[in-house]
Amino acid sequence: NAGVTQTPKFRVLKTGQSMTLLCAQDMNHEYMYWYRQDPGMGLRLIHYSVGEGTTAKGEVPDGYNVSRLKKQNFLLGLESAAPSQTSVYFCASSQQIFNQPQHFGDGTRLSIL
Amino acid sequence: AQKITQTQPGMFVQEKEAVTLDCTYDTSDQSYGLFWYKQPSSGEMIFLIYQGSYDEQNATEGRYSLNFQKARKSANLVISASQLGDSAMYFCAMREVDSSYKLIFGSGTRLLVRP
Repeated sequence: NAGVTQTPKFRVLKTGQSMTLLCAQDMNHEYMYWYRQDPGMGLRLIHYSVGEGTTAKGEVPDGYNVSRLKKQNFLLGLESAAPSQTSVYFCASSQQIFNQPQHFGDGTRLSIL
Repeated sequence: AQKITQTQPGMFVQEKEAVTLDCTYDTSDQSYGLFWYKQPSSGEMIFLIYQGSYDEQNATEGRYSLNFQKARKSANLVISASQLGDSAMYFCAMREVDSSYKLIFGSGTRLLVRP
């Protein structure tokens, strides 16, 4: 009964380092999303995917890249981390049904020094 | 322009009382959906309730109900008989009709339930 699993849960990076956040879902959902949550700003969409092999930019895509090589996985990469990317990152997935909610992972707290 | 506005950064409510969390939205679409999520201090996002723009009745789920006023573009969440466990951040989100099915979130309201 895993749902959406994010790895890692916490990470501290130095400016300029790179890393990849992994999101895995076991619900056979077509759509997957990466959001960031900053204080007072709600969740903002970084990138999303509407199916295996597809990706698209969201509201705040700069400094991030994504890949969806397998339907169940959606990876978020930071090539050269910056302090402005300190945030909590959420992955979500959903069915291709309009009235169905997105299901969220538990989040990754990322600090960049 | 903000598409989802939650004007109450923080609210208090006495245990066992009802509370209304405000949400207004902005869209030119006729077809859209509104979602409410709860985020407790542990951080996870929990889906609470959904209202479709063409739904004739206000959505209800247990102690949660939506006061949906389409003409005013508002979708306020009503929590009846508040419990201590209702203390959390609450987010309103909108889905418009496009190929992404993405959600646009408001900035949230922090609710504290007093014993």
